[in-house]
Amino acid sequence: DQQVKQNSPSLSVQEGRISILNCDYTNSMFDYFLWYKKYPAEGPTFLISISSIKDKNEDGRFTVFLNKSAKHLSLHIVPSQPGDSAVYFCAAPATQGGSEKLVFGKGTKLTVNP
Amino acid sequence: NAGVMQNPRHLVRRRGQEARLRCSPMKGHSHVYWYRQLPEEGLKFMVYLQKENIIDESGMPKERFSAEFPKEGPSILRIQQVVRGDSAAYFCASSPYLIQGTDTEAFFGQGTRLTVV
Repeated sequence: DQQVKQNSPSLSVQEGRISILNCDYTNSMFDYFLWYKKYPAEGPTFLISISSIKDKNEDGRFTVFLNKSAKHLSLHIVPSQPGDSAVYFCAAPATQGGSEKLVFGKGTKLTVNP
Repeated sequence: NAGVMQNPRHLVRRRGQEARLRCSPMKGHSHVYWYRQLPEEGLKFMVYLQKENIIDESGMPKERFSAEFPKEGPSILRIQQVVRGDSAAYFCASSPYLIQGTDTEAFFGQGTRLTVV
């Protein structure tokens, strides 16, 4: 049961253009979402997050949008840079009975071409 | 403040041997999580621990896998009698609090790449 879905395995954009990475979720109990960036042979690093009380959160070139009714969020990177080339994971914490786990999508590999 | 430290970075084991993966969380973090990433897959939750307690091991195979987070020292993920299917990247993460409701995040280590030959 894939509670967090990233349906695009890969995305290629030109340097300077906008990158839009999408994420859908099925669990209506999720109320906080995180984006992680991962380079090959390294651990994921936190990028940006959004709480369900907001529909937008911006940090420099990165903006995350949340559409609760559609259970959809997206990460916008503008302008895209070659150093942004990485795998991007969408995640949500699932809390139950005192336990918590991050549920991850399968990731989208972004390639920014110079 | 050093980040989450995992060692070894790479581990090669023959089938049937034991693999022991270590994770030192960030200073002040009492919540430790282990995740596994298979090729072309996302990160899958394995186990969530607090000091001396396993809180949730629902993502961990019932046999051969065990985890601990002792009062002193790193968290250990132990895989006994490894098989080829155990080959994966294993990531440890830590956080100071539960993530939900505190708007925090989990910090990840660089991972241990286990190869079973």
